[in-house]
Amino acid sequence: QLQLQESGPGLVKPSETLSLTCTVSGGSISSSGYHWGWVRQPPGKGLEWIGSMYYTGTTNYNPSLRSRVTISVDTSKIQISLRLTSVTAADTAVYYCTRRGAGYPGQMDYWGQGTLVTVSS
Amino acid sequence: DIQMTQSPSSLSASVGDRVTISCRASQSISSYLNWYQQKPGKAPELLIYAASSLQSGVPSRFSASGSGTDFTLTISSLQPEDFATYYCQQSYSTPLTFGGGTKVQIK
Repeated sequence: QLQLQESGPGLVKPSETLSLTCTVSGGSISSSGYHWGWVRQPPGKGLEWIGSMYYTGTTNYNPSLRSRVTISVDTSKIQISLRLTSVTAADTAVYYCTRRGAGYPGQMDYWGQGTLVTVSS
Repeated sequence: DIQMTQSPSSLSASVGDRVTISCRASQSISSYLNWYQQKPGKAPELLIYAASSLQSGVPSRFSASGSGTDFTLTISSLQPEDFATYYCQQSYSTPLTFGGGTKVQIK
């Protein structure tokens, strides 16, 4: 059974960089057919797609975050990483790691449990 | 970006009720529509993919339909474990976008 587990600091200061890691167990992230990415959810609000990476290294980012976000995959460690620079209070959210099918229909069939990141001094 | 609009934003229903949630896309997305259920403090879980296909393990009381711009999620007989927030999501084009959610509460 595939499992995704997010980890990283729960508190980040404004203007600094948010860095999270998602460790995948029970499967490979280097096989074709899937995008690996991140979705976030501010407290009490809805879901926002951040971006994803295909196993070939191709990335797709939400234009609203593109200038600040980097997603990378370490196939040897079976980890997906998220970097978000110059954070503000608006970046406070629960961050989820996801697996998404490539092509049709592109559903997110596996999610991590999520990790809350608070941006505050 | 494709905007996804869900209605209602919340509803109150009783166990055994039939519940219908709507989702509308700002442009045609064919059948690139997925539904998720989220319970408080938990990650979303996939319920329906490709507009009408039931994810493995999801009870058959859940069903969905639609194509193009208008989609519907139906719970035929609401159970206590179904009280949650439901989100639609389009996978037609990036940026992937979600509806604002529909919170199903106990009447």
